[in-house]
Amino acid sequence: DAGVTQSPTHLIKTRGQQVTLRCSPKSGHDTVSWYQQALGQGPQFIFQYYEEEERQRGNFPDRFSGHQFPNYSSELNVNALLLGDSALYLCASSLQGAKYTEAFFGQGTRLTVV
Amino acid sequence: KNEVEQSPQNLTAQEGEFITINCSYSVGISALHWLQQHPGGGIVSLFMLSSGKKKHGRLIATINIQEKHSSLHITASHPRDSAVYICAVRSGNFGNEKLTFGTGTRLTIIP
Repeated sequence: DAGVTQSPTHLIKTRGQQVTLRCSPKSGHDTVSWYQQALGQGPQFIFQYYEEEERQRGNFPDRFSGHQFPNYSSELNVNALLLGDSALYLCASSLQGAKYTEAFFGQGTRLTVV
Repeated sequence: KNEVEQSPQNLTAQEGEFITINCSYSVGISALHWLQQHPGGGIVSLFMLSSGKKKHGRLIATINIQEKHSSLHITASHPRDSAVYICAVRSGNFGNEKLTFGTGTRLTIIP
């Protein structure tokens, strides 16, 4: 089992561009959550997808959007990139409602906006 | 005030010392996670707790649900334990669960 895989691992974009990050959950997991981690900070919750719907959202603008596919994989899209969007973007997968199931994290995508 | 508070923010200790990292939270939770993050970003789950105490090798995690407090202990610390340790709490109902993270504790073990 490959666990949670994210792609790409590193990305450099120019301010104003759009970016798409991808996440494949651990086998057997149906829920994908996305987090933004600025340098020196803890991860901040962006949103969570379950049954192909956005179920919860953190305090992020509409420039941040996502999608979940029938195979449970997910994408995070960020439009009109700002310098402040530079961060490590982490994906976590879990099994919804399985109280004693751990969440598993990908290695993250490091996005640099220049 | 953050929903999840960790202390200390930074901790430097000599190899072999006993380490304690604390986590307090203010919301109702279904579980609490202790996570380890090495430079480069990847996060590894160390423990998931909903009550009591768990032990894995030199790591021990405890939780007091009534006091909304958890601790992570490392015995006989080693330089390879140097990492950021993050506490995260799981909250919400079925279909709306989420993890809320503390800001992390940066641990440095000096040989």
